[in-house]
Parts: sequence; C-alpha cells; structure tokens
Amino acid sequence: DAGVTQSPTHLIKTRGQQVTLRCSPISGHKSVSWYQQVLGQGPQFIFQYYEKEERGRGNFPDRFSARQFPNYSSELNVNALLLGDSALYLCASSLYPIGNYGYTFGSGTRLTVV
Amino acid sequence: GQQVMQIPQYQHVQEGEDFTTYCNSSTTLSNIQWYKQRPGGHPVFLIQLVKSGEVKKQKRLTFQFGEAKKNSSLHITATQTTDVGTYFCAAYLNQFYFGTGTSLTVIP
Repeated sequence: DAGVTQSPTHLIKTRGQQVTLRCSPISGHKSVSWYQQVLGQGPQFIFQYYEKEERGRGNFPDRFSARQFPNYSSELNVNALLLGDSALYLCASSLYPIGNYGYTFGSGTRLTVV
Repeated sequence: GQQVMQIPQYQHVQEGEDFTTYCNSSTTLSNIQWYKQRPGGHPVFLIQLVKSGEVKKQKRLTFQFGEAKKNSSLHITATQTTDVGTYFCAAYLNQFYFGTGTSLTVIP
C-alpha cells in the first residue's frame, strides 16, 4: 500500500513566481490537510479538504489556495512567492477530517524561494 | 496566536535516563494527538487521547491527558538513541494546532 505521496520533493523558485504542490492521499482516505513547517517550528495548518470541499482554512494570506480532485488528490497553490514562504510543505491524509486515527503525513515538499 | 504550548523546547539526556515533554492549552480540548518527527523526516502519528485523565502506554512511552483536558504529557522511560527526534502534540480546536515541539537529543 502506498503512503501519502507528495511531489515534487524539492523546489527552488524566485520571488514573485507561482508554485503548485501535489499530494496523493492513502487509498481510501478522503481528507487531505496541508501544513507549512518552517525550520525549528511545528507544522502550521493551511487548509483541509474533505470530500472535495474546503473544511478549514488556517491563518494564511489569499495567495495560498488549494483544491481537491474527485480522486481525492490535492493541489496547493501559492502565488506571488515571498522569501518567507520558504518551508517544508506537508500533506496529511486521514479517513475523516478530525483524524481520529491520526494523520498520515507525506515526506513533504521542500520549497526554497530566492 | 499560539494555541498549544510545549515545554521544554529542547532536552538533552544521557541514554537510559527518562524524558518528559508537556503540552498546555488555555482552552479545553476535545482530543489531543502526539507525533514524532525524526531529523529530516515528517511527523509520524503516535497516539490519540480523548478522555479526561486518560493514560495510554506504548512500550516505554506513556501518554497522559489532564483531568481538565487542557494539558497532556509524554513520558519516555529509559531513553534510547532511537528516541531522538522532535515530539509534537496536536490539539483539535476547529482545526489541528501543532505545539511548538520538544527536540530530544539522546547522548550515548
């Protein structure tokens, strides 16, 4: 069984550019959450999608957007990149939004903005 | 603002010593989860606590949820080098808030 897969694993972008990160949840999981983790800090919640609908949004600017597809995979888009967007972006999947059995995280996408 | 605080931020122990990290919230929590993140890795789910005063054990790890459901602790008995990593609590408050984490270093 494949775990949560994220692509790409690493990415370098220039300030002002746009980026799309992709996530495929564990088979059967309908909830996908996105987190940003800056070095030395805990993951910060960005979005949660369940059954293709947004279930929650963290305290991030409108430059951040996401969507979930019919196969439950998800994309996170970030526009007008800033240096401060450099971080590890984690995708987590779960059966249900509250994650009663815990969230399973992917290995993340390391985004560097220069 | 920060919803969930963890202490200590860092902890260095000799192998074989015990280790405890504490998670505190100003708000009553419906549940709390604990994760471990190895250096360079991603968070891995350890356990979920739901009931007031609940205690759960996983081998050398003991997890406790406070009676008021505002705090939690993770205790590791006789640490091993494989315990190295950052331990996060995560509390559900309309979304999952991760704590600040405790980074554990085990000195052989």
